[in-house]
Amino acid sequence: QVQLQESGPGLVKPSETLSLICTVSGASISDYYWSWIRQPPGKGLEWIGYISDSGRAKYNPSLESRVTISMDTSKNQLLLKLSFVTAADTALYFCAVSGGGPTDLWGQGTLVTVSS
Amino acid sequence: DIQMTQSPSSLSASVGDRVTITCRASQAIRNDLGWYQQKPGKPPKRLIYAASSLQSGVPSRFSGSGSGTEFTLTISSLQPEDFATYYCLQHNSNPRTFGQGTKLEIK
Repeated sequence: QVQLQESGPGLVKPSETLSLICTVSGASISDYYWSWIRQPPGKGLEWIGYISDSGRAKYNPSLESRVTISMDTSKNQLLLKLSFVTAADTALYFCAVSGGGPTDLWGQGTLVTVSS
Repeated sequence: DIQMTQSPSSLSASVGDRVTITCRASQAIRNDLGWYQQKPGKPPKRLIYAASSLQSGVPSRFSGSGSGTEFTLTISSLQPEDFATYYCLQHNSNPRTFGQGTKLEIK
């Protein structure tokens, strides 16, 4: 059974860098395209970007100047970094596999609050 | 960016009702669309992929249709566990974009 678990600091100060990890068990991260998606409290879903099975990343242009998605194959982990955060980056952050094919996998999400 | 316009934004219905939610894309996306159900505090769960394919394990009362720019999600007979928020997501081009969501509430 494939499981995804997001982790990271729940509180980040404005202008600092948000760093999250998605640990994958039960599958190799080299098997899928992996997305990061976020949801501000009480609001809708926003796609942040994805990384392909070969490590090629694509980002939402609205975040592209601040975001990096990478993978650590030795640890079977996905990494998200978002720099120069503001209160608008406060959200529940999900990692997921959910593209065109039948596979649909999501982590439970991790809440990140940006506040001084 | 492709804009996904979802309607209605909210909907009140009763158990047993038939419900339809629509997503319109600002440009053609073939059938590169999924439908998701989300309950509070939980991750989204995909119900439909490729516009009309039922996700494994999802009840057959859920169905999807459409291609190009107009898509629908239909719930044939609402059950109590179906009251949730529903989103569409296009993955035809980057950035992938979600509809604004439809909150389905009990009448």
